[in-house]
Amino acid sequence: EDKVVQSPLSLVVHEGDTVTLNCSYEVTNFRSLLWYKQEKKAPTFLFMLTSSGIEKKSGRLSSILDKKELFSILNITATQTGDSAVYLCAVPQNAGGTSYGKLTFGQGTILTVHP
Amino acid sequence: GAVVSQHPSRVICKSGTSVKIECRSLDFQATTMFWYRQFPKQSLMLMATSNEGSKATYEQGVEKDKFLINHASLTLSTLTVTSAHPEDSSFYICSARRQGLGTGELFFGEGSRLTVL
Repeated sequence: EDKVVQSPLSLVVHEGDTVTLNCSYEVTNFRSLLWYKQEKKAPTFLFMLTSSGIEKKSGRLSSILDKKELFSILNITATQTGDSAVYLCAVPQNAGGTSYGKLTFGQGTILTVHP
Repeated sequence: GAVVSQHPSRVICKSGTSVKIECRSLDFQATTMFWYRQFPKQSLMLMATSNEGSKATYEQGVEKDKFLINHASLTLSTLTVTSAHPEDSSFYICSARRQGLGTGELFFGEGSRLTVL
């Protein structure tokens, strides 16, 4: 059974701080790892990682994958109150076919950024 | 703007009634949609895969007679919670994948919050 574990489960910081969110996984037929941000409603896509060691960046957010250690991190620098959300890590359950899109999610990390 | 729309966004019903939630892909066709459930402070759990023109496939532990899924067209899947009970109160989210793209383009609906009294 595929497993995705995130840590910490919750994090409280002040604006301007840098945070690192962790995601470890155990999955058969690994293809990719996804990060999402969820603010009260549906998750919004952040990153998809497929290759080890290649950092993906989007503004103050960045993420990297280590396929040897089965691990990914999501970094947020210079945090803002608008970054407060639940950050979810997920892996597809199958490598392809019509079931591509079945995701196993981690528990999520609740990030709270205080002014 | 949203490319996957869910309706209703919030519903409150009495125990024993049935509730239907719609999931629509707005500007693309989706032969496959996915239904997730999220309890408070928990992550999303996949319930079932909705297949256009055929039966849905359910994850282990999800009662197919309880959660009826119909995917009658390439842009619409419905989830009906039959004889709802308070323990069915949850946030239900659908997702759809635009054909031809990787999982990175898996779009989620805005979710439907069900409260069963």
